[in-house]
Amino acid sequence: SQTIHQWPATLVQPVGSPLSLECTVEGTSNPNLYWYRQAAGRGLQLLFYSVGIGQISSEVPQNLSASRPQDRQFILSSKKLLLSDSGFYLCAWSLPTTPTGYTFGSGTRLTVV
Amino acid sequence: AQKVTQAQTEISVVEKEDVTLDCVYETRDTTYYLFWYKQPPSGELVFLIRRNSFDEQNEISGRYSWNFQKSTSSFNFTITASQVVDSAVYFCALSGINAGNMLTFGGGTRLMVKP
Repeated sequence: SQTIHQWPATLVQPVGSPLSLECTVEGTSNPNLYWYRQAAGRGLQLLFYSVGIGQISSEVPQNLSASRPQDRQFILSSKKLLLSDSGFYLCAWSLPTTPTGYTFGSGTRLTVV
Repeated sequence: AQKVTQAQTEISVVEKEDVTLDCVYETRDTTYYLFWYKQPPSGELVFLIRRNSFDEQNEISGRYSWNFQKSTSSFNFTITASQVVDSAVYFCALSGINAGNMLTFGGGTRLMVKP
């Protein structure tokens, strides 16, 4: 069966520090991968999605970046965090073509102080 | 372009009341899929249901039921005899057949069930 792992669960980082959030999927090949952000009490904002290794599409211009160094690994990064980067970050995967919906990771709660 | 509207941002009910969460969608695709997800306070989004555009039968799963009406582009979700554990944010989502399996989410409805 397929599983998705996302870590860390919580993170407190100072303004200006770097960020690296990792997401890995097991039990499937060539998944579509997604990074979402959710501000407190708000909806889901799609940040990046990837349909293959090295293929990243950015939905929102900001100081975050994403990389997919391996088929089932998706990394969200920042060189210098801003206060506005605080939020709940969710990774998700889906099959590449069949619209079965997304399976989400457990999320990372990031607080920038 | 696809769009999902959940007009109710917050709903508060007392335990055992029935509650309906509204979802209205827009798409130009003739084949599409609709979803509901639950986000409990822990944060993880949990898949509840998927329906395709050719299946307008209502679905019931325990205390949960879904009413899909293509004529009004709606896919409403009803919880019967609500419980405190139903307190969560609920998201409706849409995937058109030409959208490459990308989901478009509504803004979510926060449901608070009070004892």
